[in-house]
Amino acid sequence: EAGVAQSPRYKIIEKRQSVAFWCNPISGHATLYWYQQILGQGPKLLIQFQNNGVVDDSQLPKDRFSAERLKGVDSTLKIQPAKLEDSAVYLCASSLVGANTGELFFGEGSRLTVL
Amino acid sequence: AQTVTQSQPEMSVQEAETVTLSCTYDTSENNYYLFWYKQPPSRQMILVIRQEAYKQQNATENRFSVNFQKAAKSFSLKISDSQLGDTAMYFCAFMKRINMNRDDKIIFGKGTRLHILP
Repeated sequence: EAGVAQSPRYKIIEKRQSVAFWCNPISGHATLYWYQQILGQGPKLLIQFQNNGVVDDSQLPKDRFSAERLKGVDSTLKIQPAKLEDSAVYLCASSLVGANTGELFFGEGSRLTVL
Repeated sequence: AQTVTQSQPEMSVQEAETVTLSCTYDTSENNYYLFWYKQPPSRQMILVIRQEAYKQQNATENRFSVNFQKAAKSFSLKISDSQLGDTAMYFCAFMKRINMNRDDKIIFGKGTRLHILP
């Protein structure tokens, strides 16, 4: 079974530029999460989808961050314009709703450096 | 709002020793899950062990076990016979239990960096 795929693995941009990250969850997983992990900290939830609907985006900085999940499968997270404090690893995770186990399956992450 | 606190930023132990990582949490919920996730260097995060709050028996997975104290809101992870491959960041996490049709978000602590020394 293929795992959660993310791209790109690394991205370096200058502040005020834009960047997009892509995630393909495990097949059949209805719930998809984007987490931001700043160096030395635990992951912080940015947005949670169930199928193609948003369940929780309360911590998403909506003035610069946006995310969508097309047809309830792949997802894209965009940052425009980027700030220095957006330097972090962006983790995508998925889970199987109905299993009620709470286990998340993570991708390898996309490391963003904003200069 | 729920919070998860890990008070040990970094720990080191010799290979084959036993180590315990601490975690406390705060919630007013009665039905929830607690987790320990492992994040090896440059690799993806994986689930180590899970505890359901309504179960009194502590969860175990091979060399990993937890000490779940619900009243004290404490959830520690014990790693027995530690191995070099256990070197990683370990995150304690909390999830409120909703229903079979929807998963709630998982809230993570700041993590403990564990070094297993040869």
